[in-house]
Amino acid sequence: ETGVTQSPTHLIKTRGQQVTLRCSSQSGHNTVSWYQQALGQGPQFIFQYYREEENGRGNFPPRFSGLQFPNYSSELNVNALELDDSALYLCASSLAGRAGYGYTFGSGTRLTVV
Amino acid sequence: GESVGLHLPTLSVQEGDNSIINCAYSNSASDYFIWYKQESGKGPQFIIDIRSNMDKRQGQRVTVLLNKTVKHLSLQIAATQPGDSAVYFCAENISQAGTALIFGKGTTLSVSS
Repeated sequence: ETGVTQSPTHLIKTRGQQVTLRCSSQSGHNTVSWYQQALGQGPQFIFQYYREEENGRGNFPPRFSGLQFPNYSSELNVNALELDDSALYLCASSLAGRAGYGYTFGSGTRLTVV
Repeated sequence: GESVGLHLPTLSVQEGDNSIINCAYSNSASDYFIWYKQESGKGPQFIIDIRSNMDKRQGQRVTVLLNKTVKHLSLQIAATQPGDSAVYFCAENISQAGTALIFGKGTTLSVSS
C-alpha cells in the first residue's frame, strides 16, 4: 500500500509568481485535503476535494485553488504569491467522510516566497 | 483565531518518565478529537482519537482524556522514549460539518536519555 506522495519537496518562488503543488493520494482513498502550515504553527485547512469537486474550504482567498483528477490525485495552485504564503503545504488523503484516523498526510512541500 | 490550543509550547522530560501534553478547545460543537505527532521533515502522524461521547481512550503507551465541561483534552505518554521527541498537535473536528480538522499550535516534546 503506497502512502501519500507530494512533489516537489522544496520550492522557491518570487513574489507575484504562480505555483502548482502536486499530491498523489494513498491507494484506495478518494478524498484529498490541503493544509498550510506556517513555521511554528499548526496546519490550517485550505480546502478538500471529493469526486473532482471542491467540497469544503477554509479561510483562504480565491487565489488558492485546486484540482482533483479521476485517479484522485490533486493539485494546489496559488496565484500572485505573497511573502506570507511561505509555508509547508500538506496534503492528506482519506476515504470520504473519514477524518482523523482515516487521514494519511504526506511529508509536504516547503514553499519559500522571496 | 485559533479554536484549539496547547498550554505549553515545549515540554522536556527524561527517558522513562510519563509525559502529559494538554490542549484546550473552544468550539463546543466539536465532537471528534485527534492527537498527531509530527517529526521534523514529515507530515503529521495519527496517534489516537476520541469522540465526544467518551472521556478516556487508551492505546499502546498513550491515553487521551477528554473533559467536555472545561473543553480540555490531554495526551499521556507512558514511559517516554527518545523516539517520542516530536511536535504534538491536537486537532478538532465537527463531524457533521465534514472532515476538515482545526489544529492547535503544538507542543514540542524533548526526551533526554
